[in-house]
Amino acid sequence: RKEVEQDPGPFNVPEGATVAFNCTYSNSASQSFFWYRQDCRKEPKLLMSVYSSGNEDGRFTAQLNRASQYISLLIRDSKLSDSATYLCVVHRLYNFNKFYFGSGTKLNVKP
Amino acid sequence: DAGITQSPRHKVTETGTPVTLRCHQTENHRYMYWYRQDPGHGLRLIHYSYGVKDTDKGEVSDGYSVSRSKTEDFLLTLESATSSQTSVYFCAISDPGTPPDYNEQFFGPGTRLTVL
Repeated sequence: RKEVEQDPGPFNVPEGATVAFNCTYSNSASQSFFWYRQDCRKEPKLLMSVYSSGNEDGRFTAQLNRASQYISLLIRDSKLSDSATYLCVVHRLYNFNKFYFGSGTKLNVKP
Repeated sequence: DAGITQSPRHKVTETGTPVTLRCHQTENHRYMYWYRQDPGHGLRLIHYSYGVKDTDKGEVSDGYSVSRSKTEDFLLTLESATSSQTSVYFCAISDPGTPPDYNEQFFGPGTRLTVL
């Protein structure tokens, strides 16, 4: 079973739409959680950390459900510039500080 | 942006030749990682390092070796390149920080390797 599972998409949405991505992780010992953004042929970059209480950064909201081992990302008022692949990442410090990546969900925002 | 560079950025080589990729950081982070990224597989960990001369295997380590003689440099070597090692290689760094605010990974710009 994969450590982190995501729907690969693509999600094709019009500008201004709200879109949600989900991912699940298999190891309950995972300690911290992130969403990364990766543009085509570029390196992944941190979009936001995900906290148990949920957190928001402008148009982006991330949620964590430890009981269900489920992470979500909500993007409101989508912009053309949001088109990218979004990677769900879980981290275990006590396993040599390793990070486990989902395969990514591709988002295409259309005019 | 975190100070991570990778060299070379692009390389074309032939099957059977040795190849070394270099990752250099200026952040003094303890942990360094090598990943490969292929369509349909996402990022897969090749090797990682938790300190100078301290390295270990990741999930796809066959055919690869690494060395870390200084905090700032982490080298990935393909002893005898094969076409299946054609990929994009990313180096990453991390320093755990203090719970509960664990630090994230920062990535280098990647190396595109083609093995003919």
